[in-house]
Amino acid sequence: EIVLTQSPDTLSLSPGERATLSCRASQSVSGSYLAWYQQRPGQAPRLLFYGPSFRATGIPARFSGSGSGTDFTLIISRLEPEDFAVYYCHQYDRSPFTFGQGTKLEIK
Amino acid sequence: EVQLLELGGALVQPGGSLRLSCAASGFTFDDFAMHWVRQPPGKGPEWVAGISWNSATIAYADSVKGRFTVSRDNAKNSLFVQMDRLRPEDTAFYYCVKDIFPSLGSGPLASWGQGTLVTVSS
Repeated sequence: EIVLTQSPDTLSLSPGERATLSCRASQSVSGSYLAWYQQRPGQAPRLLFYGPSFRATGIPARFSGSGSGTDFTLIISRLEPEDFAVYYCHQYDRSPFTFGQGTKLEIK
Repeated sequence: EVQLLELGGALVQPGGSLRLSCAASGFTFDDFAMHWVRQPPGKGPEWVAGISWNSATIAYADSVKGRFTVSRDNAKNSLFVQMDRLRPEDTAFYYCVKDIFPSLGSGPLASWGQGTLVTVSS
Protein backbone atom coordinates (compact mmCIF):
# COMPACT_ATOMS: atom_id res chain seq x y z
CA GLU A 1 0.00 0.00 0.00
CA ILE A 2 1.04 3.61 -0.48
CA VAL A 3 2.24 5.14 2.79
CA LEU A 4 1.82 8.89 3.18
CA THR A 5 4.10 10.76 5.59
CA GLN A 6 3.18 14.30 6.55
CA SER A 7 5.53 16.91 7.98
CA PRO A 8 5.70 18.48 10.38
CA ASP A 9 3.51 16.67 12.90
CA THR A 10 2.73 19.99 14.58
CA LEU A 11 3.12 23.50 13.21
CA SER A 12 2.91 26.46 15.59
CA LEU A 13 2.22 29.77 13.87
CA SER A 14 0.42 33.06 14.47
CA PRO A 15 -2.58 34.46 12.58
CA GLY A 16 -1.41 36.27 9.46
CA GLU A 17 1.61 34.01 8.95
CA ARG A 18 2.15 31.59 6.06
CA ALA A 19 1.81 27.84 6.62
CA THR A 20 3.49 25.19 4.49
CA LEU A 21 2.42 21.57 5.00
CA SER A 22 4.08 18.65 3.25
CA CYS A 23 2.99 15.15 2.28
CA ARG A 24 5.39 12.56 0.90
CA ALA A 25 4.27 9.28 -0.65
CA SER A 26 6.19 6.00 -0.49
CA GLN A 27 5.42 5.43 -4.19
CA SER A 28 4.51 7.75 -7.01
CA VAL A 29 0.86 8.76 -6.93
CA SER A 30 -0.13 8.48 -10.57
CA GLY A 31 -2.57 10.97 -11.99
CA SER A 32 -1.80 13.14 -8.97
CA TYR A 33 -4.72 11.48 -7.20
CA LEU A 34 -3.90 13.24 -3.95
CA ALA A 35 -6.31 15.24 -1.80
CA TRP A 36 -6.10 17.43 1.30
CA TYR A 37 -8.66 17.64 4.12
CA GLN A 38 -9.15 19.95 7.08
CA GLN A 39 -10.62 18.68 10.33
CA ARG A 40 -11.73 20.98 13.13
CA PRO A 41 -12.46 19.60 16.62
CA GLY A 42 -15.76 17.73 16.78
CA GLN A 43 -16.30 17.87 13.02
CA ALA A 44 -15.90 15.51 10.11
CA PRO A 45 -13.01 16.12 7.72
CA ARG A 46 -13.69 18.61 4.93
CA LEU A 47 -12.24 18.35 1.42
CA LEU A 48 -9.93 21.24 0.57
CA PHE A 49 -8.06 20.21 -2.60
CA TYR A 50 -7.81 17.29 -4.96
CA GLY A 51 -5.89 16.49 -8.10
CA PRO A 52 -3.89 18.01 -6.15
CA SER A 53 -4.48 21.64 -7.16
CA PHE A 54 -8.25 21.71 -7.72
CA ARG A 55 -9.87 23.75 -4.97
CA ALA A 56 -13.09 22.27 -3.55
CA THR A 57 -16.25 24.34 -3.45
CA GLY A 58 -16.18 27.14 -0.91
CA ILE A 59 -12.49 26.90 -0.05
CA PRO A 60 -10.90 30.36 0.25
CA ALA A 61 -8.21 31.50 -2.18
CA ARG A 62 -5.62 31.76 0.61
CA PHE A 63 -5.37 27.95 0.39
CA SER A 64 -3.35 26.42 -2.45
CA GLY A 65 -2.30 22.88 -3.29
CA SER A 66 0.48 21.60 -5.52
CA GLY A 67 2.80 18.70 -6.23
CA SER A 68 3.18 15.55 -8.26
CA GLY A 69 4.78 12.13 -8.06
CA THR A 70 5.73 11.63 -4.43
CA ASP A 71 5.86 15.19 -3.05
CA PHE A 72 2.82 17.36 -2.38
CA THR A 73 2.33 20.66 -0.58
CA LEU A 74 -0.56 22.59 0.97
CA ILE A 75 0.04 26.29 1.55
CA ILE A 76 -2.11 28.70 3.54
CA SER A 77 -0.89 32.16 2.59
CA ARG A 78 -2.19 34.17 5.56
CA LEU A 79 -3.59 32.25 8.49
CA GLU A 80 -7.02 33.12 9.81
CA PRO A 81 -8.17 31.99 13.29
CA GLU A 82 -10.49 29.37 11.76
CA ASP A 83 -7.58 27.73 9.91
CA PHE A 84 -6.08 26.26 13.08
CA ALA A 85 -7.04 22.61 12.77
CA VAL A 86 -5.64 19.23 11.73
CA TYR A 87 -4.83 18.65 8.04
CA TYR A 88 -4.65 15.26 6.34
CA CYS A 89 -3.43 14.23 2.90
CA HIS A 90 -5.05 11.24 1.19
CA GLN A 91 -4.26 9.20 -1.92
CA TYR A 92 -7.04 7.70 -4.01
CA ASP A 93 -4.80 6.39 -6.77
CA ARG A 94 -4.46 2.82 -5.58
CA SER A 95 -6.52 0.67 -3.24
CA PRO A 96 -6.26 0.52 -0.30
CA PHE A 97 -6.69 4.27 -0.28
CA THR A 98 -4.63 5.76 2.52
CA PHE A 99 -4.26 8.86 4.66
CA GLY A 100 -1.26 10.61 6.14
CA GLN A 101 -0.95 10.80 9.92
CA GLY A 102 -1.94 14.47 9.94
CA THR A 103 -0.38 17.84 10.69
CA LYS A 104 -1.79 19.80 13.60
CA LEU A 105 -1.73 23.52 12.92
CA GLU A 106 -1.83 25.29 16.28
CA ILE A 107 -1.80 28.91 17.40
CA LYS A 108 1.58 30.07 18.62
CA GLU B 1 -27.40 20.28 -0.31
CA VAL B 2 -25.71 16.91 0.15
CA GLN B 3 -26.85 15.16 3.33
CA LEU B 4 -25.50 11.87 4.63
CA LEU B 5 -26.96 10.40 7.80
CA GLU B 6 -25.25 7.41 9.38
CA LEU B 7 -27.29 5.12 11.60
CA GLY B 8 -26.61 2.02 13.62
CA GLY B 9 -23.64 2.81 15.82
CA ALA B 10 -23.66 0.95 19.12
CA LEU B 11 -21.71 -0.83 21.83
CA VAL B 12 -21.03 -4.41 20.78
CA GLN B 13 -18.99 -7.23 22.27
CA PRO B 14 -15.85 -8.56 20.59
CA GLY B 15 -16.79 -11.18 18.03
CA GLY B 16 -20.18 -9.62 17.50
CA SER B 17 -21.83 -8.12 14.44
CA LEU B 18 -23.31 -4.76 13.54
CA ARG B 19 -24.86 -3.25 10.43
CA LEU B 20 -24.49 0.45 9.68
CA SER B 21 -26.63 2.29 7.21
CA CYS B 22 -26.35 5.68 5.53
CA ALA B 23 -29.33 7.62 4.21
CA ALA B 24 -28.33 9.94 1.37
CA SER B 25 -30.20 12.96 0.06
CA GLY B 26 -29.63 16.16 -1.88
CA PHE B 27 -27.95 14.51 -4.89
CA THR B 28 -28.47 11.75 -7.44
CA PHE B 29 -27.24 8.81 -5.38
CA ASP B 30 -26.61 6.37 -8.23
CA ASP B 31 -24.33 8.83 -10.03
CA PHE B 32 -21.55 8.48 -7.46
CA ALA B 33 -19.27 5.98 -5.80
CA MET B 34 -19.57 5.84 -2.01
CA HIS B 35 -17.19 5.00 0.82
CA TRP B 36 -16.97 4.18 4.50
CA VAL B 37 -14.15 5.85 6.42
CA ARG B 38 -13.52 5.37 10.12
CA GLN B 39 -11.67 7.38 12.71
CA PRO B 40 -10.78 6.15 16.19
CA PRO B 41 -11.30 8.87 18.80
CA GLY B 42 -8.24 11.13 18.85
CA LYS B 43 -6.60 9.48 15.82
CA GLY B 44 -6.49 9.99 12.07
CA PRO B 45 -8.99 8.68 9.52
CA GLU B 46 -8.72 5.25 7.89
CA TRP B 47 -10.45 4.38 4.63
CA VAL B 48 -12.50 1.20 5.20
CA ALA B 49 -14.32 0.36 1.96
CA GLY B 50 -15.63 1.79 -1.27
CA ILE B 51 -18.30 0.81 -3.78
CA SER B 52 -18.85 2.07 -7.32
CA TRP B 53 -22.14 3.52 -8.50
CA ASN B 54 -23.45 0.20 -9.81
CA SER B 55 -21.79 -2.05 -7.17
CA ALA B 56 -19.60 -3.60 -9.89
CA THR B 57 -16.39 -2.57 -8.12
CA ILE B 58 -15.91 -2.96 -4.38
CA ALA B 59 -12.68 -2.55 -2.44
CA TYR B 60 -11.72 -3.00 1.21
CA ALA B 61 -8.90 -2.09 3.53
CA ASP B 62 -6.80 -5.11 4.47
CA SER B 63 -7.78 -4.61 8.12
CA VAL B 64 -11.45 -5.39 7.40
CA LYS B 65 -11.28 -7.66 4.36
CA GLY B 66 -13.26 -10.85 4.96
CA ARG B 67 -15.09 -9.36 7.96
CA PHE B 68 -16.89 -6.31 6.52
CA THR B 69 -19.26 -6.26 3.55
CA VAL B 70 -20.30 -3.01 1.88
CA SER B 71 -23.43 -2.73 -0.26
CA ARG B 72 -25.82 -0.13 -1.60
CA ASP B 73 -29.46 0.14 -2.60
CA ASN B 74 -29.77 2.82 -5.27
CA ALA B 75 -33.57 2.62 -5.24
CA LYS B 76 -33.53 3.63 -1.58
CA ASN B 77 -30.57 6.05 -1.73
CA SER B 78 -28.84 4.00 0.93
CA LEU B 79 -25.36 2.67 1.71
CA PHE B 80 -24.65 -0.16 4.11
CA VAL B 81 -21.79 -1.94 5.80
CA GLN B 82 -22.20 -5.29 7.52
CA MET B 83 -19.48 -5.71 10.14
CA ASP B 84 -18.83 -9.22 11.47
CA ARG B 85 -16.27 -10.68 13.88
CA LEU B 86 -15.76 -7.25 15.38
CA ARG B 87 -12.57 -6.51 17.29
CA PRO B 88 -11.72 -3.83 19.88
CA GLU B 89 -9.52 -2.13 17.27
CA ASP B 90 -12.64 -1.57 15.13
CA THR B 91 -13.79 1.01 17.70
CA ALA B 92 -14.19 4.30 15.83
CA PHE B 93 -16.50 6.88 14.38
CA TYR B 94 -17.72 5.55 11.05
CA TYR B 95 -18.36 8.08 8.30
CA CYS B 96 -20.42 7.68 5.15
CA VAL B 97 -18.65 9.58 2.36
CA LYS B 98 -19.62 10.58 -1.18
CA ASP B 99 -17.12 10.47 -4.05
CA ILE B 100 -17.09 12.97 -6.92
CA PHE B 101 -17.11 10.30 -9.64
CA PRO B 102 -19.12 7.12 -10.30
CA SER B 103 -16.15 4.74 -10.26
CA LEU B 104 -13.68 3.90 -7.53
CA GLY B 105 -10.14 5.23 -7.63
CA SER B 106 -10.95 8.34 -9.61
CA GLY B 107 -12.07 10.91 -7.11
CA PRO B 108 -11.53 12.19 -3.58
CA LEU B 109 -13.85 11.93 -0.59
CA ALA B 110 -15.98 14.94 -1.31
CA SER B 111 -18.81 15.01 1.23
CA TRP B 112 -18.88 13.46 4.70
CA GLY B 113 -21.65 12.62 7.10
CA GLN B 114 -21.34 13.42 10.79
CA GLY B 115 -20.42 9.87 11.72
CA THR B 116 -21.75 7.19 14.05
CA LEU B 117 -19.76 5.69 16.91
CA VAL B 118 -19.07 1.98 17.05
CA THR B 119 -17.57 0.71 20.31
CA VAL B 120 -16.31 -2.85 20.53
CA SER B 121 -15.79 -3.79 24.15
CA SER B 122 -16.77 -6.41 26.68
